[in-house]
Amino acid sequence: GAGVSQSPSNKVTEKGKDVELRCDPISGHTALYWYRQRLGQGLEFLIYFQGNSAPDKSGLPSDRFSAERTGESVSTLTIQRTQQEDSAVYLCASTFRSGGDTTSWEQYFGPGTRLTVT
Amino acid sequence: GQQVMQIPQYQHVQEGEDFTTYCNSSTTLSNIQWYKQRPGGHPVFLIQLVKSGEVKKQKRLTFQFGEAKKNSSLHITATQTTDVGTYFCALQVLFNKFYFGSGTKLNVKP
Repeated sequence: GAGVSQSPSNKVTEKGKDVELRCDPISGHTALYWYRQRLGQGLEFLIYFQGNSAPDKSGLPSDRFSAERTGESVSTLTIQRTQQEDSAVYLCASTFRSGGDTTSWEQYFGPGTRLTVT
Repeated sequence: GQQVMQIPQYQHVQEGEDFTTYCNSSTTLSNIQWYKQRPGGHPVFLIQLVKSGEVKKQKRLTFQFGEAKKNSSLHITATQTTDVGTYFCALQVLFNKFYFGSGTKLNVKP
């Protein structure tokens, strides 16, 4: 595809329900990140996947949050027993390591999933 | 842990005025990235700075990396309404984690 896609674009759920958010990265991008952005705030790192290496889960706020990625393809972020404080936009970004004189990990973001927990 | 301070939080300017946002770190950085997020949109990569004292320009945007590699700035000359949005700096820790600043929200009055 032309860019990173995420689904659903909006999700309204009741407190206590589980939700699953999906991210389709740019083909060929080896690394994938999930971030959380609360209204008017910056981006909060959640989890990082790089190829077949063990993911960096250090940003997950609680054990209700989990994420999976199969190889270098789709990733899913699951939030169990949602709470109102989980309401935010969840952004996915994929990246590749571009070489040359300066190695760069430019992140390409998807449009995000706006999660509202009522 | 990694500390990132970005100032100011908000900036309102008249079209044609200049704008600067600053990003300060508590530790020496390997590199720093800047992103722009339009209202209702997602962050878009602008640039990466790597070298001490580096200055890069993109049309009316000038990016600087401090000599000590602990701070960076983004300066926009003669702002336009198309510059409206939130500008974030992002610090890369190793190769697998980014810490984003809280962002500077720019509003440009026509």
